[in-house]
Amino acid sequence: GQNIDQPTEMTATEGAIVQINCTYQTSGFNGLFWYQQHAGEAPTFLSYNVLDGLEEKGRFSSFLSRSKGYSYLLLKELQMKDSASYLCAVRDSNYQLIWGAGTKLIIKP
Amino acid sequence: DAGVTQSPTHLIKTRGQQVTLRCSPKSGHDTVSWYQQALGQGPQFIFQYYEEEERQRGNFPDRFSGHQFPNYSSELNVNALLLGDSALYLCASSLVGGGTYEQYFGPGTRLTVT
Repeated sequence: GQNIDQPTEMTATEGAIVQINCTYQTSGFNGLFWYQQHAGEAPTFLSYNVLDGLEEKGRFSSFLSRSKGYSYLLLKELQMKDSASYLCAVRDSNYQLIWGAGTKLIIKP
Repeated sequence: DAGVTQSPTHLIKTRGQQVTLRCSPKSGHDTVSWYQQALGQGPQFIFQYYEEEERQRGNFPDRFSGHQFPNYSSELNVNALLLGDSALYLCASSLVGGGTYEQYFGPGTRLTVT
């Protein structure tokens, strides 16, 4: 079967750094996405990785290791507005997106 | 540049009824995907439409059907509603051949079945 695992919830302090991990087992791999979703809203695109390594975009970075079936999202200089759920999704051999359940990130002052 | 729009925003139906949800893709996009998201869960893929045909389908029963129109907009129909169909229904659009196939999501339709 196909499986995406992420921690259910994480807590971090404003101004700090947090790393959200994602491990996956899918039938094929055609890219990994990270989305941010605020409560009651639609997911918004954060990053895309298809090759191994780190992709940096402002305060957010995403890392991929295809051999380990592993990715992480790194958020720096945390702000209160970063409180949201972070969803990891893998595009499988059929180009379907398989989604994790999301990690709820709580930012404390 | 209009993003993805969905209607209605909220909907309350009774078990056994039928519902139609609508989606207009982002300007320039030709592919529409539908997802069901239960509270506290990630989205579950229902199906995808491209060139007015269902191209891919997730693990959902035949009660879930859809349609794509020549202007790329799409409808999701659910028949014989069950309590378990209560969820946020998300529409996402993308462009085939658009590189990353990044999907843009609409605000969703919150369906409550009583």
